[in-house]
Amino acid sequence: GEDVEQSLFLSVREGDSSVINCTYTDSSSTYLYWYKQEPGAGLQLLTYIFSNMDMKQDQRLTVLLNKKDKHLSLRIADTQTGDSAIYFCAESPLAGYNKLIFGAGTRLAVHP
Amino acid sequence: NAGVTQTPKFQVLKTGQSMTLQCAQDMNHEYMSWYRQDPGMGLRLIHYSVGAGITDQGEVPNGYNVSRSTTEDFPLRLLSAAPSQTSVYFCASSAQAGGPNEQFFGPGTRLTVL
Repeated sequence: GEDVEQSLFLSVREGDSSVINCTYTDSSSTYLYWYKQEPGAGLQLLTYIFSNMDMKQDQRLTVLLNKKDKHLSLRIADTQTGDSAIYFCAESPLAGYNKLIFGAGTRLAVHP
Repeated sequence: NAGVTQTPKFQVLKTGQSMTLQCAQDMNHEYMSWYRQDPGMGLRLIHYSVGAGITDQGEVPNGYNVSRSTTEDFPLRLLSAAPSQTSVYFCASSAQAGGPNEQFFGPGTRLTVL
């Protein structure tokens, strides 16, 4: 079946790097996504990676994909207080292209 | 361009009452969906639509109805509210069936059923 798991909480010091991890079960997933949710708001797409890629970099964000282990990570360099939010990992299975399967979300707290 | 809008932002219902959560998008997106968000569980898909006149069930459809008479609107109906439906509801839309599926989310409706 389809399942996405991620740890629920991460605390980092301002200026450090944050690494948020995610595991998924559907090996047919075509794209994997990271969404960000700020307090009281809907989700916003941060970045995505195609399943035949190992890494994608976008400014302070680095996404790593280990397809063999079905492991996805999001690294945020030079983490700022404005990065405090909930980060959701999501996959879109091949069988249901427009469907997204979300993890439970990782709450990132950035402290001075 | 307002994106995806949802009304109301907050709602309190008594058990057994009915109501409709409204969702509209002005991006001419074909695909629309409803999710519910519960603590520690991420977002779960309730119903979705791939175009006007076409709807289908998601992961947790029981207790909810949808219809899609226009491209822009995708209302979610609770026929007889239950406390288990207390949640935050998000509507989302996306444009295309090929390539990365960027879904645009509304701000959410926080529903409490007493």
